[in-house]
Amino acid sequence: GAGVSQTPSNKVTEKGKYVELRCDPISGHTALYWYRQSLGQGPEFLIYFQGTGAADDSGLPNDRFFAVRPEGSVSTLKIQRTERGDSAVYLCASSESGWSTDTQYFGPGTRLTVL
Amino acid sequence: TQLLEQSPQFLSIQEGENLTVYCNSSSVFSSLQWYRQEPGEGPVLLVTVVTGGEVKKLKRLTFQFGDARKDSSLHITAAQPGDTGLYLCAGLGGGSYIPTFGRGTSLIVHP
Repeated sequence: GAGVSQTPSNKVTEKGKYVELRCDPISGHTALYWYRQSLGQGPEFLIYFQGTGAADDSGLPNDRFFAVRPEGSVSTLKIQRTERGDSAVYLCASSESGWSTDTQYFGPGTRLTVL
Repeated sequence: TQLLEQSPQFLSIQEGENLTVYCNSSSVFSSLQWYRQEPGEGPVLLVTVVTGGEVKKLKRLTFQFGDARKDSSLHITAAQPGDTGLYLCAGLGGGSYIPTFGRGTSLIVHP
């Protein structure tokens, strides 16, 4: 079966622009996570969805970041008024039910570059 | 915030050598995970350890969870070029479903 997919694989944008990053989780997985990985760092948690609802958005750095998962499958991470400091790899992961014992399966990430 | 320190940050060795990487924290974790990440890919879970003092083996990789559940180590025997990658540890604490990741150890194994 297909794993987690993310599009685009690379996104270059200019400071101040709006971007959308898409994540297709493994079919049937109810839990979906977004992380951000800066160069030389481990993944940093942004937001966790259980079904359609954001169960934990405590990792979103500010109100320029927003994510949705309207039908409980595909999710979109939206960044408004991008800044150079937003440049990073944005990783998406899904797991079967969201229990701490579940394995999270990661996508390949979207590399965002803000010029 | 529960911080995980990984060491060394970088490791460059020849094929056939043994190595150990470390993951340390001042916090207690209910479980600890090790992932490997290759360039352009997301992390892939290698193992989860949950009991203090637990040792798990995965072929040439040996994982150990400290008795106090604050630290862990990964030992690779007879490293191969295919072992090259970024090794990340991640801790889960107090029922949290969100792992806290360390910065990783970047391993290069030369043929």
